[in-house]
Amino acid sequence: SQQGEEDPQALSIQEGENATMNCSYKTSINNLQWYRQNSGRGLVHLILIRSNEREKHSGRLRVTLDTSKKSSSLLITASRAADTASYFCATALSGGYQKVTFGTGTKLQVIP
Amino acid sequence: EADIYQTPRYLVIGTGKKITLECSQTMGHDKMYWYQQDPGMELHLIHYSYGVNSTEKGDLSSESTVSRIRTEHFPLTLESARPSHTSQYLCASSDQGRLGDTQYFGPGTRLTVL
Repeated sequence: SQQGEEDPQALSIQEGENATMNCSYKTSINNLQWYRQNSGRGLVHLILIRSNEREKHSGRLRVTLDTSKKSSSLLITASRAADTASYFCATALSGGYQKVTFGTGTKLQVIP
Repeated sequence: EADIYQTPRYLVIGTGKKITLECSQTMGHDKMYWYQQDPGMELHLIHYSYGVNSTEKGDLSSESTVSRIRTEHFPLTLESARPSHTSQYLCASSDQGRLGDTQYFGPGTRLTVL
């Protein structure tokens, strides 16, 4: 089964509200990344958090990582219609093997 | 904006045809990847490469093949396309040498096999 699973699968909010997406994974990781994908396009890297970090910020994005619970969350504050996209978490496993596994994705719709 | 390109963007082709999806990057990255993604679904790694003359199969079994003769170029070939190959194919690249390094994606090729 997937290393990373996001929830919710889909989320619809009003512009200006905050959006929170969660990612759970199964095995120990070196780091976790979040990517955004606009409809029918490639993915764009948003933020990377290492296993020894607990929280990271980038603009309106806030990412947390709880390695004891094997979970991460992505918070987008003051959402905009342009944030409408699918969001994927991606985990890099421990053990030296440089492979990144993507989760199932959360579809975010921000209504103007 | 990432310097990674895919052509064609869209391809509609009949069953049995041979196709090659092109992917090139100008960032000098050693590692390159091919993912398959059905609409609204997760990405599945089908091929990756650590560098020139290196190719490996990914997590999802695929009838496609790849080659890596030049650092910047990582084409994917289907010898005989079938309707089950209909999907979006995403190419990506990253720097080698750092665990879990950031991947840069191309815009994708949407393939439809009739």
